[in-house]
Amino acid sequence: NAGVTQTPKFRVLKTGQSMTLLCAQDMNHEYMYWYRQDPGMGLRLIHYSVGEGTTAKGEVPDGYNVSRLKKQNFLLGLESAAPSQTSVYFCASSEVGNIQYFGAGTRLSVL
Amino acid sequence: TQLLEQSPQFLSIQEGENLTVYCNSSSVFSSLQWYRQEPGEGPVLLVTVVTGGEVKKLKRLTFQFGDARKDSSLHITAAQTGDTGLYLCAGGRSGTYKYIFGTGTRLKVLA
Repeated sequence: NAGVTQTPKFRVLKTGQSMTLLCAQDMNHEYMYWYRQDPGMGLRLIHYSVGEGTTAKGEVPDGYNVSRLKKQNFLLGLESAAPSQTSVYFCASSEVGNIQYFGAGTRLSVL
Repeated sequence: TQLLEQSPQFLSIQEGENLTVYCNSSSVFSSLQWYRQEPGEGPVLLVTVVTGGEVKKLKRLTFQFGDARKDSSLHITAAQTGDTGLYLCAGGRSGTYKYIFGTGTRLKVLA
């Protein structure tokens, strides 16, 4: 079982460049989430989705956009990357009952 | 705003010792989860507690939810090197699909 798959695993960007992180889940979960993890900060919610075609802002949404065109995919976009967006990004999915399954993460560096 | 504070932030102990990790908040949560995260991987759920005063055991790990549902603890008996990792608590509120993650406790168990 693949579970939650994130691509890419690593990426280096220059300030101002754009990129999209892809999250795919094969568990038919309704809810999907994007978090960032920084040292000493735990996980902070960027955006989330409660179903296909829906998205909502989390704690730290500025500088990011998301789309959920298909139930199994949740995309996170950075339109103009900044050094403050250097972080490890995690995607998660869940069904009712709130057990979240996480991907292995994407390590992003913005120079 | 970080609503969940974990302590200690770092902990290094010898194999066989006991330890307790704390997760504290001034807010009330309807449920609380504990995750363990290993380097290069996403967090993996250990337990969910939902009732004030609830105690759950998972082999050598004992989890407790505070009576007022504002805090939680994780106690590990006779730690093993395999317990090494980052421990995260996450609080949820009824009526939302979001969890607030704590700041994390990084545990290292030495052989």
